[in-house]
Amino acid sequence: GDSVTQMEGPVTLSEEAFLTINCTYTATGYPSLFWYVQYPGEGLQLLLKATKADDKGSNKGFEATYRKETTSFHLEKGSVQVSDSAVYFCALSGGSNYKLTFGKGTLLTVNP
Amino acid sequence: GAGVSQSPSNKVTEKGKDVELRCDPISGHTALYWYRQSLGQGLEFLIYFQGNSAPDKSGLPSDRFSAERTGGSVSTLTIQRTQQEDSAVYLCASSPQGTPLHFGNGTRLTVT
Repeated sequence: GDSVTQMEGPVTLSEEAFLTINCTYTATGYPSLFWYVQYPGEGLQLLLKATKADDKGSNKGFEATYRKETTSFHLEKGSVQVSDSAVYFCALSGGSNYKLTFGKGTLLTVNP
Repeated sequence: GAGVSQSPSNKVTEKGKDVELRCDPISGHTALYWYRQSLGQGLEFLIYFQGNSAPDKSGLPSDRFSAERTGGSVSTLTIQRTQQEDSAVYLCASSPQGTPLHFGNGTRLTVT
């Protein structure tokens, strides 16, 4: 079945540091890939997505590129802020399956 | 409202009691999803509605769990004879179609 593996946290960075959160997946067909973010006390919200190979999703300074050859969708940001502190979830949606399969989440803490 | 609304935000119940959790999706969204987020399991898919029908209820953990949706809008998730392992945050999401994009803040259920 489909699965998503993302790096275990917690990840602690200083403000303005470079961020990478790794995500790899296993799926049949050609899934769509997503990153969701959950800020403290809030529900998940879609951060970015990519629907086909080599697509780059981007939002709020975050980027992730759909790499079919390595089955990866790593999340990056060049300069993190304290306000980026949250839990980040990688997820996929199969081509014929409308439900999301999530990774376990990575807690990011950014210190001033 | 502007987003997905869930009620109650918190629910404490005694083991063996029934509970109902409510979700108001974004107006016009035909797809509605229920997920469960618990410490040991991460995010788990429960059920998917398209309109008032549920083509995928494969994630419901037992026959104590049921859900319905009326008028293509509000959905209710019912858990009968609650058990301590049902304690989790229950998340609802909606979308115009296909993959969930907008999640509510969730209902935190605690079974004592």
